[in-house]
Amino acid sequence: AQSVTQLDSHVSVSEGTPVLLRCNYSSSYSPSLFWYVQHPNKGLQLLLKYTSAATLVKGINGFEAEFKKSETSFHLTKPSAHMSDAAEYFCVPLYSSASKIIFGSGTRLSIRP
Amino acid sequence: SQTIHQWPATLVQPVGSPLSLECTVEGTSNPNLYWYRQAAGRGLQLLFYSVGIGQISSEVPQNLSASRPQDRQFILSSKKLLLSDSGFYLCAWRQIYGYTFGSGTRLTVV
Repeated sequence: AQSVTQLDSHVSVSEGTPVLLRCNYSSSYSPSLFWYVQHPNKGLQLLLKYTSAATLVKGINGFEAEFKKSETSFHLTKPSAHMSDAAEYFCVPLYSSASKIIFGSGTRLSIRP
Repeated sequence: SQTIHQWPATLVQPVGSPLSLECTVEGTSNPNLYWYRQAAGRGLQLLFYSVGIGQISSEVPQNLSASRPQDRQFILSSKKLLLSDSGFYLCAWRQIYGYTFGSGTRLTVV
């Protein structure tokens, strides 16, 4: 079955500390994978994407993610959180055989001053 | 260039009134288009998707309908809104290399 799991519904970190948002995919083959960010009452903005090129992907706003096939994971990280990073984050796979967009359940990131 | 437009950005409607949200894309042909709803504190729920003109797939039985009158136009409608229709509605477009999302519509039914 094609699916993606975001392991944490809510993550809270202090400003200036590292961020880790976890995503695991389930598939017999490696999909393209995306991380999107959604600020309140806004659409989804692309942070970064993995499309079978380099496994370590750098995105906007200092975020990066590493594709690990052995762990079927694509976790999102940032070395130092900023208050403006507070938002909802979605892990989204792109399967060529699927007509629907499969979303992770989302992770709400809160930043403590 | 390839872009997606969704409007209006916000909408306040009384219970029982009709609804029409529009989504259009530019710079492509025969796109796969989607309508999602996001209730407060919840994830994204797929409402409808369309792979071509006049082709609509409904995911969840509800008070809403969708239409694809033109190749690059996807409309979400309701004849009579319910309070439970309140939420954030998002249009999306699937491309070969990824997805593009509209800016969303915040609908409040009062």
